[in-house]
Amino acid sequence: GEDVEQSLFLSVREGDSSVINCTYTDSSSTYLYWYKQEPGAGLQLLTYIFSNMDMKQDQRLTVLLNKKDKHLSLRIADTQTGDSAIYFCAESIGGYQKVTFGTGTKLQVIP
Amino acid sequence: NAGVMQNPRHLVRRRGQEARLRCSPMKGHSHVYWYRQLPEEGLKFMVYLQKENIIDESGMPKERFSAEFPKEGPSILRIQQVVRGDSAAYFCASSPPGRYGDTQYFGPGTRLTVL
Repeated sequence: GEDVEQSLFLSVREGDSSVINCTYTDSSSTYLYWYKQEPGAGLQLLTYIFSNMDMKQDQRLTVLLNKKDKHLSLRIADTQTGDSAIYFCAESIGGYQKVTFGTGTKLQVIP
Repeated sequence: NAGVMQNPRHLVRRRGQEARLRCSPMKGHSHVYWYRQLPEEGLKFMVYLQKENIIDESGMPKERFSAEFPKEGPSILRIQQVVRGDSAAYFCASSPPGRYGDTQYFGPGTRLTVL
């Protein structure tokens, strides 16, 4: 079945690295995503990873995928106050675009 | 190229009224998705449409909710006889034809409040 879980809250100091974790249950996931939602706004796609990859790096963002444990993480290097937002992990299954979202992790960056 | 547009951004309705939410996909996009976000929760898939066709409405409540994406004009999510539990943010996303994965672009959402 489809179920994506995340911790609800993370607090880090400005300049430190943030690691947001996610677990999913459907082993047939094709794509896994990270979205960012700022207050009162829609979702911004940050990055995604194909399920046959282990890692993807994009500037300050590093995505790690452990298929065996069905664990996905997003590392933000040199976290800035502008990174404060809710981060959603999401998965899509097969060739279909239906996306299942986690409950979101609220990242608070302390100056 | 304008992004996905949704209107209204905020909508207030009394119980029993109808709510109509509109979504204009990005130019060239023919796939539209509607999601609902309840307070303090993630997004839940509602319906996936292509032009003039409903592809998957498995996330849509069986009663009172309907969606369309006509050949011309925006996609419409319609909620009849709204109840307080319908209060949520409704997000639309669009993607171009023939691809999947990285291409769902979200609108800013419509925040529905039912009094």
